Amino acid sequence: AQKITQTQPGMFVQEKEAVTLDCTYDTSDPSYGLFWYKQPSSGEMIFLIYQGSYDQQNATEGRYSLNFQKARKSANLVISASQLGDSAMYFCAMREGYTGFQKLVFGTGTRLLVSP
Amino acid sequence: DAGITQSPRYKITETGRQVTLMCHQTWSHSYMFWYRQDLGHGLRLIYYSAAADITDKGEVPDGYVVSRSKTENFPLTLESATRSQTSVYFCASSDTGRAPYNEQFFGPGTRLTVL
Repeated sequence: AQKITQTQPGMFVQEKEAVTLDCTYDTSDPSYGLFWYKQPSSGEMIFLIYQGSYDQQNATEGRYSLNFQKARKSANLVISASQLGDSAMYFCAMREGYTGFQKLVFGTGTRLLVSP
Repeated sequence: DAGITQSPRYKITETGRQVTLMCHQTWSHSYMFWYRQDLGHGLRLIYYSAAADITDKGEVPDGYVVSRSKTENFPLTLESATRSQTSVYFCASSDTGRAPYNEQFFGPGTRLTVL
């Protein structure tokens, strides 16, 4: 069974607009972590934001925020005030377990294109 | 601060040849990982290592071999390359010192083509 699902292969947004990238996950472990990574056209993987399963508040990092809805098992990434440099692939990933071995399971990614 | 490096960055080889992809990190992270990235699959874990001399299989280990004699190095060997192993390979490392994040830091990737 797929553990991380990203249903949007591609998304378009205009510069300065906000955009939400969807991610749903499946786990029976009460302790887990959710990550978002950005992969620009240059190819490197850049860590953006983390949400722990016990975190009471949604994670935020600058223009990135994570809309964490535990009961729905969703962890959507919200990018506010999009910039041209936000054009990239975005991957959602999950780690089961709070600490210890940090194996990640990735979704298939969403390609975001920001237009002027 | 070199971080995590991979070599070569690009490699073309032929079916049946042995290929070794190198990964080196300067942070002394305990954990190291090898992923492959293919269109429609995202990143899939091939092998991982929790420390020197401790390795284990991931989701797609068939056709690959790893070793980790030193903390900083984690080479990935394709014993007899096949066309289905054409992919982009990422090495990553992480450490428990940044709990609970323990995010993985990725190398720049190696694009491997098997003809």
